[in-house]
Amino acid sequence: DTEVTQTPKHLVMGMTNKKSLKCEQHMGHRAMYWYKQKAKKPPELMFVYSYEKLSINESVPSRFSPECPNSSLLNLHLHALQPEDSALYLCASSQGRIGGPTDEKLLFGSGTQLSVL
Amino acid sequence: GQQVMQIPQYQHVQEGEDFTTYCNSSTTLSNIQWYKQRPGGHPVFLIQLVKSGEVKKQKRLTFQFGEAKKNSSLHITATQTTDVGTYFCAAGAGGTSYGKLTFGQGTILTVHP
Repeated sequence: DTEVTQTPKHLVMGMTNKKSLKCEQHMGHRAMYWYKQKAKKPPELMFVYSYEKLSINESVPSRFSPECPNSSLLNLHLHALQPEDSALYLCASSQGRIGGPTDEKLLFGSGTQLSVL
Repeated sequence: GQQVMQIPQYQHVQEGEDFTTYCNSSTTLSNIQWYKQRPGGHPVFLIQLVKSGEVKKQKRLTFQFGEAKKNSSLHITATQTTDVGTYFCAAGAGGTSYGKLTFGQGTILTVHP
C-alpha cells in the first residue's frame, strides 16, 4: 500500500458543528502533516507529527485540533469553524527520522474539500 | 519567515512549446523540491535537489538548483497536454526549520492543443 488515504473526500458543515477529518497510511512513515490549501494558492503547513508527537504547530487557531492515535493514523478535529476555513485540507506523510521532521519528499493524500456554511 | 518567489504565476503555451518556471529565495536553501498538482488533484512530488549547481532530468523535465542554492528552475521541453497543472517549488531551510517546507505561489500551466 503506497497511498495516503483521506476521508471524507467532501464535507459540508455548519459553524456550530463538530467534525473530524481522517488520514491513514501504511507505508511505515513516521512523519505526518496537515496542510490547508485555498483555491489557486499553495499548500500552507498547519501541523507536523513526528513519531506520533506534535513537533510543529504553525500558530493554527484552536478550533483545529490534531490527533495522532498511532503511527498510521492522523486526525484533524474541527469545531466552531468559520466560513473562511473553507478549503482543501491535505494530509501528507514522509519517512521521518528519529531526531525530528526533515525536508523529505511528501506523499499527499487526495484531500478533503471542506465547506463551512 | 522564509519566502520563496515563484514566477510566472500563469503560463499559456501551445503544445510543443517549451515552458520554464523559476523560484527565488533571498536566503540560502538546504534543498528544494518540486511538485505538480493537476486540476482538481493533489500535489505530487516530482524531485528534490540538494547540491549546489545540481541538474536533474526526468524525460522532458529538467530541474536546476543554483550555485548559491538560492534559486531553482523547472524546464519542460516540448509541452504536451498532459503537462497541464500547477507546478510548485517547495524550499527547505533545514536546521531548526526542518519539516517546514515553504511553497512558492505556483505556476499554472495551460497547454493549448
